[in-house]
Amino acid sequence: DTEVTQTPKHLVMGMTNKKSLKCEQHMGHRAMYWYKQKAKKPPELMFVYSYEKLSINESVPSRFSPECPNSSLLNLHLHALQPEDSALYLCASSPLQSPNEQFFGPGTRLTVL
Amino acid sequence: EDQVTQSPEALRLQEGESSSLNCSYTVSGLRGLFWYRQDPGKGPEFLFTLYSAGEEKEKERLKATLTKKESFLHITAPKPEDSATYLCAVQENTGFQKLVFGTGTRLLVSP
Repeated sequence: DTEVTQTPKHLVMGMTNKKSLKCEQHMGHRAMYWYKQKAKKPPELMFVYSYEKLSINESVPSRFSPECPNSSLLNLHLHALQPEDSALYLCASSPLQSPNEQFFGPGTRLTVL
Repeated sequence: EDQVTQSPEALRLQEGESSSLNCSYTVSGLRGLFWYRQDPGKGPEFLFTLYSAGEEKEKERLKATLTKKESFLHITAPKPEDSATYLCAVQENTGFQKLVFGTGTRLLVSP
């Protein structure tokens, strides 16, 4: 299995909702990432997990809460989002070597009303 | 701070018309330079990693090269299915897990 999967593909939520994005990989990668991408912009790094521990948090607002329950799964819990949080949320994984090639999932298109 | 600049912002080619995309970078120490292809609404697809100046990599109609200050993605005899946004990203020595992306080149190949 050489792919990163993400669910759901699309998500519409209100500002008072709580929802979660899920990411899964079975390539044995021990680093996993969350990126945010706005239209016609490059991906922006949000969080990095190494060996299931949070290693990088790019000053992301606390309404985004990541979780890495095991080496194959990565979640992003969403609460009290704002309309400007609407974007494509990308998950990626990579081996823990340097430099490392990151492999991206198809993304979750999030719309906050 | 890392700077990654891609040019042109957009490029329209006729099928079979070869061209090059540019990625200029300024980092304190390059650990790797990556090229990705991204189709609309999808995640970036990994193409190449380049590690050191002088290195070249090829895949079908694509060839990536690297100098000390820039990388080129050469597209030879492109086809309409090569239409996509091509993203360049760098990793520097001090933050090997962090990719810094350029803004991309939107390529459109017309039949």
